[in-house]
Amino acid sequence: DGGITQSPKYLFRKEGQNVTLSCEQNLNHDAMYWYRQDPGQGLRLIYYSQIVNDFQKGDIAEGYSVSREKKESFPLTVTSAQKNPTAFYLCASSIDFGDPLPGYTFGSGTRLTVV
Amino acid sequence: AQSVTQLGSHVSVSEGALVLLRCNYSSSVPPYLFWYVQYPNQGLQLLLKYTSAATLVKGINGFEAEFKKSETSFHLTKPSAHMSDAAEYFCAVRGGSQGNLIFGKGTKLSVKP
Repeated sequence: DGGITQSPKYLFRKEGQNVTLSCEQNLNHDAMYWYRQDPGQGLRLIYYSQIVNDFQKGDIAEGYSVSREKKESFPLTVTSAQKNPTAFYLCASSIDFGDPLPGYTFGSGTRLTVV
Repeated sequence: AQSVTQLGSHVSVSEGALVLLRCNYSSSVPPYLFWYVQYPNQGLQLLLKYTSAATLVKGINGFEAEFKKSETSFHLTKPSAHMSDAAEYFCAVRGGSQGNLIFGKGTKLSVKP
């Protein structure tokens, strides 16, 4: 079945370390997104990519970086510059950035904890 | 610019009672509106969406929502709550073909036996 796979499900990071969260989709979707979820704050957009080899900053991009070298993959790196990285991270995709009708498909998330 | 406001961060109902989760939107262009559900430690699942075809939209698990332009609302309802409906619900808006989905802060639904 087609879908989005996020790994790992749980991730622990020491202070000062960079970590990379994986997001892979086999839906043949052009657009991919990364959201951060904190209790009571809803979903906040970190980065998005409309098409391969292209990505744009969202509302809270500071301390994060992404790449989109393949259509299927959109990894997110949480750098040591991110002051408060402990959160639940969600990856999503959509068929076409310019077509809102289908909505987004979400992965099952990665919970990152700084120890 | 688009935005959504979900009224009430927590809603508690008894099993079998009506579920009403409120969402008001702001959009400078005709909006596309969505409701998603999230169970603990999982991703979001699409419940239903409004795309201007009909103002009353039926979704999965017995949920429905009505688009009211005059009230800029898109409230989610279910006639009879079930224990399995306990989850967090998110309303989202997109203004036409521009921009990303904008999500509300979520409403956590509890269902009492």
